[in-house]
Amino acid sequence: DGGITQSPKYLFRKEGQNVTLSCEQNLNHDAMYWYRQDPGQGLRLIYYSQIVNDFQKGDIAEGYSVSREKKESFPLTVTSAQKNPTAFYLCASSIDRSTIYGYTFGSGTRLTVV
Amino acid sequence: ELKVEQNPLFLSMQEGKNYTIYCNYSTTSDRLYWYRQDPGKSLESLFVLLSNGAVKQEGRLMASLDTKARLSTLHITAAVHDLSATYFCAELSSTSGTYKYIFGTGTRLKVLA
Repeated sequence: DGGITQSPKYLFRKEGQNVTLSCEQNLNHDAMYWYRQDPGQGLRLIYYSQIVNDFQKGDIAEGYSVSREKKESFPLTVTSAQKNPTAFYLCASSIDRSTIYGYTFGSGTRLTVV
Repeated sequence: ELKVEQNPLFLSMQEGKNYTIYCNYSTTSDRLYWYRQDPGKSLESLFVLLSNGAVKQEGRLMASLDTKARLSTLHITAAVHDLSATYFCAELSSTSGTYKYIFGTGTRLKVLA
């Protein structure tokens, strides 16, 4: 079955530590996205990539970094510069950059600072 | 500023009742999307509305789009407990060939038995 796999499901980060969240899709989608969701809030766009080897900052990119070396993979690194990283992180993909048919979402990673 | 506003933010309703969730958006987009999120879970696509006047129905949910009013509605008919979830609308914004969604803050629906 095609889909998006996010791992891990739960992640704990110590102060000053970088952590990487994995997102893999086997849908052959061109575009991939990372969103952050805080409790009781909507989704905010962190980074997006509409083609391999290219990505753009979203609305809240500070303290995060991404890479898109392969079509199926779009990992997100939460760096120590992100001062309030505790949140639910969702990865999504769409068939192409137009996203006209909507997103497919992964199951999410819940990140907690300890 | 691009903004999507949903109301109400919280909705508690009795089983069997009808209600409508409203989604106002700020651009001239003719693409609007509805998603459902269960607690602690990811988002599930409900409806894709791609033109003015579009209406789609799935079970007890019906979504419509009025691009002139920049308004989409999600109507719930004869609510049941299983519909309890948070519902998000999202508009598709395009700027200089870049497309991205702008999500509303969500409507948390609780259906009481």
